[in-house]
Amino acid sequence: DGGITQSPKYLFRKEGQNVTLSCEQNLNHDAMYWYRQDPGQGLRLIYYSQIVNDFQKGDIAEGYSVSREKKESFPLTVTSAQKNPTAFYLCASSISHGETQYFGPGTRLLVL
Amino acid sequence: SQQGEEDPQALSIQEGENATMNCSYKTSINNLQWYRQNSGRGLVHLILIRSNEREKHSGRLRVTLDTSKKSSSLLITASRAADTASYFCATTDSWGKFQFGAGTQVVVTP
Repeated sequence: DGGITQSPKYLFRKEGQNVTLSCEQNLNHDAMYWYRQDPGQGLRLIYYSQIVNDFQKGDIAEGYSVSREKKESFPLTVTSAQKNPTAFYLCASSISHGETQYFGPGTRLLVL
Repeated sequence: SQQGEEDPQALSIQEGENATMNCSYKTSINNLQWYRQNSGRGLVHLILIRSNEREKHSGRLRVTLDTSKKSSSLLITASRAADTASYFCATTDSWGKFQFGAGTQVVVTP
């Protein structure tokens, strides 16, 4: 899992509630990423950030939001607009965009 | 649609046997990487092969890349129970975009 931490390990969301997943890295990496993984599936890119104060939508950004105010932090908010949020969420970072990505341990989000 | 498609979807072998899995992709790439994921965990980077390389080795891992066929293979030699995991290929295009395949689930039985 390297120098990337994600919290919490498990998160429960109620209907209509926004929840925020934390991702922190101490690798001094410029780029950070959020992926969603559904059971038995590969990873789908939600958002990515190549540098502080900048981020771009990935393939499935609807219902999610991010911020990148600090180099080491890239929190993901799952909004109430995301109608099917139950999944395993993985954060990753790379020294620069396009280089090898290093992953955190993941957060499993469940809907109550 | 996914850029990388792994084959087979699942593989069951005995300890000591070799495991081979393949990855096909559709568009031009800068590099291709293989990752391992143990159940419920994050992904661990195994090996990167650049588009101008044909083969790379790392310990018991051997990766080949055929850009004319747009395919790569990962060979794990002398498999161990600890190799039980899902294996994913990921391609990087000239824009730096990563795309992952759906993965191959490998089960190694003692």
